[in-house]
Amino acid sequence: EAGVAQSPRYKIIEKRQSVAFWCNPISGHATLYWYQQILGQGPKLLIQFQNNGVVDDSQLPKDRFSAERLKGVDSTLKIQPAKLEDSAVYLCASSYGSYEQFFGPGTRLTVL
Amino acid sequence: SQQGEEDPQALSIQEGENATMNCSYKTSINNLQWYRQNSGRGLVHLILIRSNEREKHSGRLRVTLDTSKKSSSLLITASRAADTASYFCASSAGGTSYGKLTFGQGTILTVHP
Repeated sequence: EAGVAQSPRYKIIEKRQSVAFWCNPISGHATLYWYQQILGQGPKLLIQFQNNGVVDDSQLPKDRFSAERLKGVDSTLKIQPAKLEDSAVYLCASSYGSYEQFFGPGTRLTVL
Repeated sequence: SQQGEEDPQALSIQEGENATMNCSYKTSINNLQWYRQNSGRGLVHLILIRSNEREKHSGRLRVTLDTSKKSSSLLITASRAADTASYFCASSAGGTSYGKLTFGQGTILTVHP
């Protein structure tokens, strides 16, 4: 079974620029999550989708972050404009029917 | 911070020894999970224990849960160099928060050959 795919794996941008990350979950997984992991910390949930709908986005900085999940499959997370403190690894995860979440390899973002 | 606490922050042991990591969380939970993260395989689910369970085993892993103290521990027996990684506990409140995980800060485990 193919795992969660993410791209790009690495991204370097300057502050105030915009960036987008893509995630393809495991086939059939209805729930998709985006996490932010700052160096030395555990992942923090940004947004959770159930099929096309948003279940929880309480920790998403909505003034600069946006996310969408079209057709209940792939998802895109965007940051515009980026700040220095957005430097982190962005993890996508998916799950189906159980509490176990399957994580992608992540995108490491560096904001200069 | 909404994240729980884990201790120790770092643990260094020799191959064959046991490693114990502790986790505390802040709210009532439906279940608690442990994940491992290393550069090779990313973040991987290890074991899940439900709020009505006190102990669970999986291979060399043993997890305990004390809901009265809002704490959990992960024991890895007979450790191997390949166990070197960061270990995170993640609590799930259930209900309207179904699936949402709150991760701890993690314990960095180093196992020396």
